[in-house]
Amino acid sequence: SQKIEQNSEALNIQEGKTATLTCNYTNYSPAYLQWYRQDPGRGPVFLLLIRENEKEKRKERLKVTFDTTLKQSLFHITASQPADSATYLCALRGDSNYQLIWGAGTKLIIKP
Amino acid sequence: EAGVVQSPRYKIIEKKQPVAFWCNPISGHNTLYWYLQNLGQGPELLIRYENEEAVDDSQLPKDRFSAERLKGVDSTLKIQPAELGDSAVYLCASSLGYGVDTQYFGPGTRLTVL
Repeated sequence: SQKIEQNSEALNIQEGKTATLTCNYTNYSPAYLQWYRQDPGRGPVFLLLIRENEKEKRKERLKVTFDTTLKQSLFHITASQPADSATYLCALRGDSNYQLIWGAGTKLIIKP
Repeated sequence: EAGVVQSPRYKIIEKKQPVAFWCNPISGHNTLYWYLQNLGQGPELLIRYENEEAVDDSQLPKDRFSAERLKGVDSTLKIQPAELGDSAVYLCASSLGYGVDTQYFGPGTRLTVL
C-alpha cells in the first residue's frame, strides 16, 4: 500500500543550527511533493513545492531536496530560530492519483 | 486578500446530535476540500469540489456525513448523527483549480463529541 513516513518524534535543534526533516514514501511515483507548516490551532500553510524532475528548491532559509531513487525528500531550515518551531507536513501527489496524500508531520522545536 | 474562513472554530455536542460546519474559500478559488485531522496525524481528505461538483467523495462516510457547495462558493459539511469517533479537527482548504498546486487552509473547526 502507499505510505508516507515522517519522523514521529519531535526534533529538538539549537537556535542558529540547521534543522533537517525527512519525508520517505513507498509505492508512489509522485509528480510533486509539497511541504507545509502547521502551528497549533491553525491550518497548514504552504511552504515549498518540488517536482519530480527537480533535485533541489530554495526559498530564503528553506531548502527542499527530492530523491526519486531513494524515495525521499529532505527539508532544511538554515540559521533556525525559535519562531520556526512548528509541525512540518509533507504531502505527495502521484501522477495517476489526483488526491494529495499527507504525512503525519514532524514537530520541530528550536531552543534559544 | 482574505483567507479561507471557517465557522465555528469550536463545537461541543452530545453524541447522536447533528452538527454543521461552514467554509468560505478564497475568492476565485474553484476547488474546495474538506479534510479531517486527528491529533498527531496529517489531514485526510473527505471530499473535493470542483466548482459545485463533488468530484472525489470516496472517503466521505455517506451514512452520516453530507456536504454541499451551492453556487460553487461557500460549502457546508454536516454530520448527522455524530458519534464519539467523529471528534477531530475539520479543515477546509481551497485552491485556484485542480492541478494548481498550492492549497490554502482555514483555521479548522475543532469538534468534540461527548
